[in-house]
Amino acid sequence: DTAVSQTPKYLVTQMGNDKSIKCEQNLGHDTMYWYKQDSKKFLKIMFSYNNKELIINETVPNRFSPKSPDKAHLNLHINSLELGDSAVYFCASSPGTSPFSNIQYFGAGTRLSVL
Amino acid sequence: QKEVEQNSGPLSVPEGAIASLNCTYSDRGSQSFFWYRQYSGKSPELIMSIYSNGDKEDGRFTAQLNKASQYVSLLIRDSQPSDSATYLCAVGMNDYKLSFGAGTTVTVRA
Repeated sequence: DTAVSQTPKYLVTQMGNDKSIKCEQNLGHDTMYWYKQDSKKFLKIMFSYNNKELIINETVPNRFSPKSPDKAHLNLHINSLELGDSAVYFCASSPGTSPFSNIQYFGAGTRLSVL
Repeated sequence: QKEVEQNSGPLSVPEGAIASLNCTYSDRGSQSFFWYRQYSGKSPELIMSIYSNGDKEDGRFTAQLNKASQYVSLLIRDSQPSDSATYLCAVGMNDYKLSFGAGTTVTVRA
């Protein structure tokens, strides 16, 4: 039973399109995250929600909009896709409560290719 | 200055040897430290966490933390080909945020 699952696994699309990636966790965690990993493998935080409240919003173009309908789900919508958005996007979750609040568990990733 | 820096790779070690990975961080107030392993095309997987100064051992892995020097390391003893992966150092800035290093790629030669 997958702990953090995200869909789709692969996404190939044209420049200018709008796409969404979905994430769900069944660990009972309070906090969820979106990361972007570029071709150089650098893993960069984009957003984080704790109990449906946005708590981390890094410098990300406003074409990216996260949504958390409940604490088990965090989706990422991307408008007007650009070539530079091509990357692997990882969803993660963590308990959000001490003492192990920020041990993060990752989904399998969504490989986005913008043509 | 980057928040988390790792020794540049790739690191190539013979099977059975010790692989040594280093990481430094800039925020002196950081309280939690992690090592993740990422196989090519896969997601990061937590292998070690450490919160206080000293050594922590788990099987063939030993994490070492020195907060005064702002330094974390990971030793992999008796390296196996299955240890070939990229190792990411992550530092907890607060209860929620982790900052990751760029990773060190390890190759274990049979």
